[in-house]
Amino acid sequence: QQQVKQSPQSLIVQKGGISIINCAYENTAFDYFPWYQQFPGKGPALLIAIRPDVSEKKEGRFTISFNKSAKQFSLHIMDSQPGDSATYFCAASKIGGGNKLTFGTGTQLKVEL
Amino acid sequence: SAVISQKPSRDICQRGTSLTIQCQVDSQVTMMFWYRQQPGQSLTLIATANQGSEATYESGFVIDKFPISRPNLTFSTLTVSNMSPEDSSIYLCSVGMPGVPDTQYFGPGTRLTVL
Repeated sequence: QQQVKQSPQSLIVQKGGISIINCAYENTAFDYFPWYQQFPGKGPALLIAIRPDVSEKKEGRFTISFNKSAKQFSLHIMDSQPGDSATYFCAASKIGGGNKLTFGTGTQLKVEL
Repeated sequence: SAVISQKPSRDICQRGTSLTIQCQVDSQVTMMFWYRQQPGQSLTLIATANQGSEATYESGFVIDKFPISRPNLTFSTLTVSNMSPEDSSIYLCSVGMPGVPDTQYFGPGTRLTVL
């Protein structure tokens, strides 16, 4: 059972544009939602994370929007740059879950000049 | 965050052999985890490495196939036993840090190819 669904699978955006990646979850016990960025040959790097008590969190060009009632959250990358080209994973963990993360399927982002 | 290293960074192994992967952190951590990432796929949690006791395995993963040790707060090993080509994956360790609840930081991964 896929507990965190991520879309799209791949995304091509022009330089300077906005990249949007969406995730949906099923388990209402999830209370921590991080996004990871992974470059080829590297481990995932934590990008930004949010908890359900806020609807939006912004760090630089990266913003998470969170909709608790819809059980959805999304990553927005403003002014996308070629250096943002990577695979992005959303994830979720739950209260009392021992910090275990459940990952989405990943989105391969390519930012073109 | 912490500096996490893994050894080896990559290896090519023969079917039926075993490989032990090491994860070393430069500071004491609260939690250590092992994940598998099959080619072009997402990350799947194998187990939580518990200090001084047996690891806690996720459904579909067993100790005989993936024995794990964690002798102290900065080091863990994962062994992939009796390997088959289906074990070809990237194996990643991750850690949780004191004072930073829920957050996990990942090592660079070990790319394993089984022939």
